[in-house]
Amino acid sequence: EAEVAQSPRYKITEKSQAVAFWCDPISGHATLYWYRQILGQGPELLVQFQDESVVDDSQLPKDRFSAERLKGVDSTLKIQPAELGDSAMYLCASSFLAVGDEQYFGPGTRLTVT
Amino acid sequence: GENVEQHPSTLSVQEGDSAVIKCTYSDSASNYFPWYKQELGKGPQLIIDIRSNVGEKKDQRIAVTLNKTAKHFSLHITETQPEDSAVYFCAARLPGGSAMRFGAGTRLTVKP
Repeated sequence: EAEVAQSPRYKITEKSQAVAFWCDPISGHATLYWYRQILGQGPELLVQFQDESVVDDSQLPKDRFSAERLKGVDSTLKIQPAELGDSAMYLCASSFLAVGDEQYFGPGTRLTVT
Repeated sequence: GENVEQHPSTLSVQEGDSAVIKCTYSDSASNYFPWYKQELGKGPQLIIDIRSNVGEKKDQRIAVTLNKTAKHFSLHITETQPEDSAVYFCAARLPGGSAMRFGAGTRLTVKP
């Protein structure tokens, strides 16, 4: 069964350092999402891609976060510099289409900022 | 934007009993309502979903009901088993591929 792949699974970094997460969506899925999930809460969307284009980054803290999906397949989410409040689970999801379609999540990257 | 509230935050049931989790949403234009199960250390797994043109959907021991007038939807799990123990999230999405809004989650514990 096809799955969304993410790496690393766990990351510990010191504040003010840079950190990057990688996501490989299910093959053929044109839409890719990055979510942040704080412990005890539901996921919140950071950025949505349709192919290589950003369609929604309204909740992305652009002063420190960036995301790219250069070839419309895999994607990287970067934080620079990391802050203590960035400690969370970062989830990637993909769907075949953007409209009216199921989203499938990867296992996530657990980030701890010390 | 859409706002989703979920209750209860924790739920404990005896094996074999039924469990019900309820969610309300704020925007009557929302048309897609999935439910996810998240086990410790894993990403959310889609378990069932319902669209606004349907009132009820069932898949084996899991069912979801939608009341568009009241703007609430519920997850029903019958004959619960210990492996059903997890955190369950509801979500709602507006038409046009907009962002999914999630509830805060319900931690379900099924006691053997």
